[in-house]
Amino acid sequence: DSGVTQTPKHLITATGQRVTLRCSPRSGDLSVYWYQQSLDQGLQFLIQYYNGEERAKGNILERFSAQQFPDLHSELNLSSLELGDSALYFCASSAEGRLIPDTQYFGPGTRLTVL
Amino acid sequence: AQSVAQPEDQVNVAEGNPLTVKCTYSVSGNPYLFWYVQYPNRGLQFLLKYITGDNLVKGSYGFEAEFNKSQTSFHLKKPSALVSDSALYFCAVRPYDNFNKFYFGSGTKLNVKP
Repeated sequence: DSGVTQTPKHLITATGQRVTLRCSPRSGDLSVYWYQQSLDQGLQFLIQYYNGEERAKGNILERFSAQQFPDLHSELNLSSLELGDSALYFCASSAEGRLIPDTQYFGPGTRLTVL
Repeated sequence: AQSVAQPEDQVNVAEGNPLTVKCTYSVSGNPYLFWYVQYPNRGLQFLLKYITGDNLVKGSYGFEAEFNKSQTSFHLKKPSALVSDSALYFCAVRPYDNFNKFYFGSGTKLNVKP
């Protein structure tokens, strides 16, 4: 158990809908990362937040957005869903400082199925 | 373009034999390098990282990796493979001078046969 929790474990929805994925980092970790893992795209880094602020941005679509709240939990919002958004979405957290990347601890993931 | 390459989709090795999973990178400036492992139906687990210092990095479960700057490689190795090492392995790089980016390789499936 990494200490990172993600809810829900599974999510089934229809095209055009909007969903919210939730992540609670390990106690004390200030950084939260979001990743998408799909069969055709592999593992893609989406976005990182550090202590409430966006730190790094990867291949995140404009239909997707994220935020980190004062209690450090994070949410990933996916809207106007398409079939191709079906994937495993992972959250990870780290105790990363401002300059040195630290070990990331991954949650169990949320499996999103868009029908 | 900055990227990470894992040239082998799959590596097969017999239990007890040494294993190598290859990773090469292309980033501007110095890199921070990582290896992660993913077991079936599980999230990724950190194995090891190279930040600075000794080019040979030792990590979890007996794995090690060697940073080779001239060949821009960071191959993962283990002297004696176990069947339980069978999993999907990902190499990742974060450029030192472009901290906002994080690149993952496509993954290599390691099969260790008894």
